[in-house]
Amino acid sequence: ETGVTQSPTHLIKTRGQQVTLRCSSQSGHNTVSWYQQALGQGPQFIFQYYREEENGRGNFPPRFSGLQFPNYSSELNVNALELDDSALYLCASSFRTGTGVGNIQYFGAGTRLSVL
Amino acid sequence: GQNIDQPTEMTATEGAIVQINCTYQTSGFNGLFWYQQHAGEAPTFLSYNVLDGLEEKGRFSSFLSRSKGYSYLLLKELQMKDSASYLCANNQGGKLIFGQGTELSVKP
Repeated sequence: ETGVTQSPTHLIKTRGQQVTLRCSSQSGHNTVSWYQQALGQGPQFIFQYYREEENGRGNFPPRFSGLQFPNYSSELNVNALELDDSALYLCASSFRTGTGVGNIQYFGAGTRLSVL
Repeated sequence: GQNIDQPTEMTATEGAIVQINCTYQTSGFNGLFWYQQHAGEAPTFLSYNVLDGLEEKGRFSSFLSRSKGYSYLLLKELQMKDSASYLCANNQGGKLIFGQGTELSVKP
């Protein structure tokens, strides 16, 4: 158990809808990163939040957006869902010090999103 | 680019030793992570290498050569429960760039 919790565990949506995924970070962690993992692939970095601000973004369109709250929990929002958005969405929390490099990221169990 | 390359699949026998290799792009490198992921579960942290050399942690060891852009994960005394996907990740300024994962099957 990493202490990182995600909700919901599974979700089914239709194309064009919007979805919000939630993540509670491990106690004492101040940074949250989101990843998308397609079946049979490694996770792909979406973005990272530190002190309630986006701190780095991967190659994902603007319809992927996020928030971090004062308690360091986070949300991932995806608008105008497409079939290719079907994947496991993973949240990872870490404690950032200094430049933030080298901090171990601990993952939640993920949200399995299916877009029909 | 930020390519990470690792074999797609490997098979080994219970009790044996297996080495999973990973090569990565060296520019902007801040360290190399290894994670284990069982089907349907979260990736779990195994090791983090920043400096060259071998780091041992029980049955698992990880090696890094920064000049060659190369790492490996060594698993000894394989157990059936070690059947999982092993993910190599390049730390690019706090952002993890993952390979596709190596699916390891341990046979009796």
